[in-house]
Amino acid sequence: QKEVEQDPGPLSVPEGAIVSLNCTYSNSAFQYFMWYRQYSRKGPELLMYTYSSGNKEDGRFTAQVDKSSKYISLFIRDSQPSDSATYLCATTGNQFYFGTGTSLTVIP
Amino acid sequence: DAGVIQSPRHEVTEMGQEVTLRCKPISGHNSLFWYRQTMMRGLELLIYFNNNVPIDDSGMPEDRFSAKMPNASFSTLKIQPSEPRDSAVYFCASSFGSGEDEQYFGPGTRLTVT
Repeated sequence: QKEVEQDPGPLSVPEGAIVSLNCTYSNSAFQYFMWYRQYSRKGPELLMYTYSSGNKEDGRFTAQVDKSSKYISLFIRDSQPSDSATYLCATTGNQFYFGTGTSLTVIP
Repeated sequence: DAGVIQSPRHEVTEMGQEVTLRCKPISGHNSLFWYRQTMMRGLELLIYFNNNVPIDDSGMPEDRFSAKMPNASFSTLKIQPSEPRDSAVYFCASSFGSGEDEQYFGPGTRLTVT
């Protein structure tokens, strides 16, 4: 079993929709969770960083961690065409583990 | 800050040739990571350094791959000899601390081996 599993998509939504991106992880000892956004032909950039359980909100983005089910989510409200990218979840134990990424397209 | 700098941005080479990828981490960061990204396997950690010392190289696929970090501001990833299956985007990332902190990625080197 991989440390982090992520549905690769692709996911296509109309502009203004609420987007939900999800990952599961294997090790209950993981404490730090991240979402990276990667535009085409660019390096990943950190989008959200959370510690332990709960929600963290930043503008239109909300990161949610449910440690009981080992499930992490990223919600994007009022999605924009500029949100079109690949989103990678990540967590750390003694090293970083990345999901394979979900490709998102927001259609104007 | 200029961010993580990688060179070259694109590399096309023939099978059997030596390839050297270069990385300059963000000044003050203590950890440096080399990743490989492909459509099939996603982002794979190859090796990471802390304070210029290799800590975990278990992701290095085989002996054809080697990485060095001679000082805090420079690292190389070398493939010798290169093979077509090495074609991928190679990212360098750096972070402040022991490797569990947020990582900042460079723009990547797109390697094509024909």
